[in-house]
Amino acid sequence: QVLLQESGPGLVKPSETLSLTCTVSGGSISPYYWSWMRQPPGKGLEWIGYIFHSGRTNYNPSLKSRVSISVDTYNNQFSLKMNSVTAADTAVYHCARHSSGPDKFDPWGQGTLVTVSS
Amino acid sequence: EIVLTQSPASLSVSPGERATLSCRATQSVTSHLAWYQHKPGQAPRLLIYGASTRATGIPGRFSGSESGTEFTLTISSLQSEDFAVYFCQQYYNWPLTFGGGTKVEIK
Repeated sequence: QVLLQESGPGLVKPSETLSLTCTVSGGSISPYYWSWMRQPPGKGLEWIGYIFHSGRTNYNPSLKSRVSISVDTYNNQFSLKMNSVTAADTAVYHCARHSSGPDKFDPWGQGTLVTVSS
Repeated sequence: EIVLTQSPASLSVSPGERATLSCRATQSVTSHLAWYQHKPGQAPRLLIYGASTRATGIPGRFSGSESGTEFTLTISSLQSEDFAVYFCQQYYNWPLTFGGGTKVEIK
């Protein structure tokens, strides 16, 4: 059974960089796609972007200028960095696997709350 | 960007009753639509993909259907473990997008 677990600071200051890692256990990073999503309080989910095991990425145009996703196949992890954060970036961040570019997500991580506040 | 609108936002249903949830897309996504169940503090769970195919291990009381750009998730006889938030997702076009969710509550 493949499990995903998000980790990282729960509190980030405005204008700083949010950094999260998703650790994959019970399976390999290859040959899958790996995405990040977020859900602000009281709002719907937003897809942030994906990385393929080879390192190819694709980002939501709404966040593309501030986001980067990287992969560490050796440690079976992939990571999200989002710079210049504001209170609007406060959300539960989820990671998930998909089998092709545009695809459904299965499985997901349970998510981690990141609050942007001074 | 394809916008998915779910209705109703919340639904009160008695155990054993049927629940019908809707997801409408602003343009065709053909059958590239998935449904998920999400309980607080847990990972979202894939229920349906391809608009009507149940994911592995999903009970038969969950079914999906489509009519043009309107998609429906039906839970035929609600069990106590089914009370949760349900959301849809299209994977026809970039960026991938989600509906706002429907909360199914105990009546």
